[in-house]
Amino acid sequence: DQQVKQNSPSLSVQEGRISILNCDYTNSMFDYFLWYKKYPAEGPTFLISISSIKDKNEDGRFTVFLNKSAKHLSLHIVPSQPGDSAVYFCAASGEAGSYQLTFGKGTKLSVIP
Amino acid sequence: SQTIHQWPATLVQPVGSPLSLECTVEGTSNPNLYWYRQAAGRGLQLLFYSVGIGQISSEVPQNLSASRPQDRQFILSSKKLLLSDSGFYLCAWSILSGSGEQYFGPGTRLTVT
Repeated sequence: DQQVKQNSPSLSVQEGRISILNCDYTNSMFDYFLWYKKYPAEGPTFLISISSIKDKNEDGRFTVFLNKSAKHLSLHIVPSQPGDSAVYFCAASGEAGSYQLTFGKGTKLSVIP
Repeated sequence: SQTIHQWPATLVQPVGSPLSLECTVEGTSNPNLYWYRQAAGRGLQLLFYSVGIGQISSEVPQNLSASRPQDRQFILSSKKLLLSDSGFYLCAWSILSGSGEQYFGPGTRLTVT
């Protein structure tokens, strides 16, 4: 049973345009949602997180939006740069006080120069 | 600042051979520690986590085991590797923070032949 789902395995975007990565979840007990970026043969790096009591969090070019009623979150990257090309993982934490992260399967973003 | 080390970076082992992957964290005390595996084309699968020395929780039954002999050392082992053990192994740490944010090491690429 996949509690965190990233339904798009890949996404291509032109440099300078907006990249929108989507994530759906099924467990309403999650407290926080996080986005990670991963280059090949490297460990994931933390990008941005959002509390379940917020609906938006912004950090530079990265903004995460949370729609609790739809159990949906999205990561917006504006403007997209070639260096943003990577696999992006959505993760959720806080179920029943747990600090474990539940990850989606990832979306591979390709930013075309 | 905190850093996390993993070694080796790559490993090629024959089926049936033993395995030992090591992870150490610097700059923090009493972290939660995690072992993940990323199989080809798949997401991050949590294998083990530890909240303290000698305390190991297993998420997936398999022929792998984990140990935490020291506060900032986490070891992943196997007595006899299987072909299906091939993958990218990641160690991560976290503290008991609200977001559950985890920080990943550089990973070990294991190929079982």
